[in-house]
Amino acid sequence: QKEVEQDPGPLSVPEGAIVSLNCTYSNSAFQYFMWYRQYSRKGPELLMYTYSSGNKEDGRFTAQVDKSSKYISLFIRDSQPSDSATYLCAMSFGGNTPLVFGKGTRLSVIA
Amino acid sequence: KAGVTQTPRYLIKTRGQQVTLSCSPISGHRSVSWYQQTPGQGLQFLFEYFSETQRNKGNFPGRFSGRQFSNSRSEMNVSTLELGDSALYLCASSLPPAEAFFGQGTRLTVV
Repeated sequence: QKEVEQDPGPLSVPEGAIVSLNCTYSNSAFQYFMWYRQYSRKGPELLMYTYSSGNKEDGRFTAQVDKSSKYISLFIRDSQPSDSATYLCAMSFGGNTPLVFGKGTRLSVIA
Repeated sequence: KAGVTQTPRYLIKTRGQQVTLSCSPISGHRSVSWYQQTPGQGLQFLFEYFSETQRNKGNFPGRFSGRQFSNSRSEMNVSTLELGDSALYLCASSLPPAEAFFGQGTRLTVV
């Protein structure tokens, strides 16, 4: 079983839709949870960063962490064509340990 | 504030050659990590340097090595290149406890 599982998609939605992206993980010791957005031929860009369980909101983006279910989500409201990218979840144990990434979900928002 | 700078952006090398990639972290960041990204394996951790010392190492063969200089700039070296080393190599500079900011990457093609 992979440490971090993420549906690769592709996921195609109409402009204005609410997008839900998810990851599951197997190691309950993960403490820090991140979402990155990666455009084609670019490096990953940090979108959201959450410690432990709970929700965090930043503009149109909301990150949720449910440690009891080992499940994290990223919601994008009022999706735009510029949101079309690959979204990567990542997590770490903290204490300067490396990030463990999901393989990414490719999202297309159609105008 | 300047982001993470990686050079070169693109490289084409022949099997058996060696290659050196360079990374300049965000000013003030002392931790630099390297990741390899391939379509099949996603992002995989190579190693992390902090204050010129390797602090963490991923599960890659000894052909992959790195170093960090006193100004926090880092280099990674791959010797005896194999076709399977073709990948996007990403450098990230980090703030504790877990935020990592990536550069644009170096696209290495081994022929």
